[in-house]
Amino acid sequence: KQEVTQIPAALSVPEGENLVLNCSFTDSAIYNLQWFRQDPGKGLTSLLLIQSSQREQTSGRLNASLDKSSGRSTLYIAASQPGDSATYLCAVRASGTYKYIFGTGTRLKVLA
Amino acid sequence: DVKVTQSSRYLVKRTGEKVFLECVQDMDHENMFWYRQDPGLGLRLIYFSYDVKMKEKGDIPEGYSVSREKKERFSLILESASTNQTSMYLCASSLHGQGYEQYFGPGTRLTVT
Repeated sequence: KQEVTQIPAALSVPEGENLVLNCSFTDSAIYNLQWFRQDPGKGLTSLLLIQSSQREQTSGRLNASLDKSSGRSTLYIAASQPGDSATYLCAVRASGTYKYIFGTGTRLKVLA
Repeated sequence: DVKVTQSSRYLVKRTGEKVFLECVQDMDHENMFWYRQDPGLGLRLIYFSYDVKMKEKGDIPEGYSVSREKKERFSLILESASTNQTSMYLCASSLHGQGYEQYFGPGTRLTVT
């Protein structure tokens, strides 16, 4: 059964720092992995989608990598800003299914 | 831009009431999903639908049912609301193919008293 873990559960950094968020999954048979951002009390906003055949995707200050063989993905945020404060979730779509399995998220706080 | 809308942002219902949560997407997506999100438990899939009138149970379907009569609309029904169904409910949609991402609505915070 696919399980997705995100460590750490919470992270606090000063503004301007580069940071890495981690996502691990137990079964490498996936179609894709998606990173989301969630602000308090709101829905999820899609940040990046990495296909199983890709190694990384970039959007602005965000870079996501995928290593299927080791069951890991990282989300790299460059030059963090207070507006980046949110909860970041990753989700994997297992091969042969429509279902997405979510991690419990990393709550990020960027201090001004 | 893909838009997923949910009928209410906040809802307060009494125990035993029948509750309808509506979700509409405007991008002709085949797949639609209902999740609930609780602190410490993350997002858990309740039901999903891959076509009109088609549905499959997710991980926690007990106490819920769904309806998809039109492609753009997916309804979640709580037949007899209970206090343990107090939660944030999130709807999402995606295209069929394996390479497509999910898009989420703004969520409905349901409180059952």
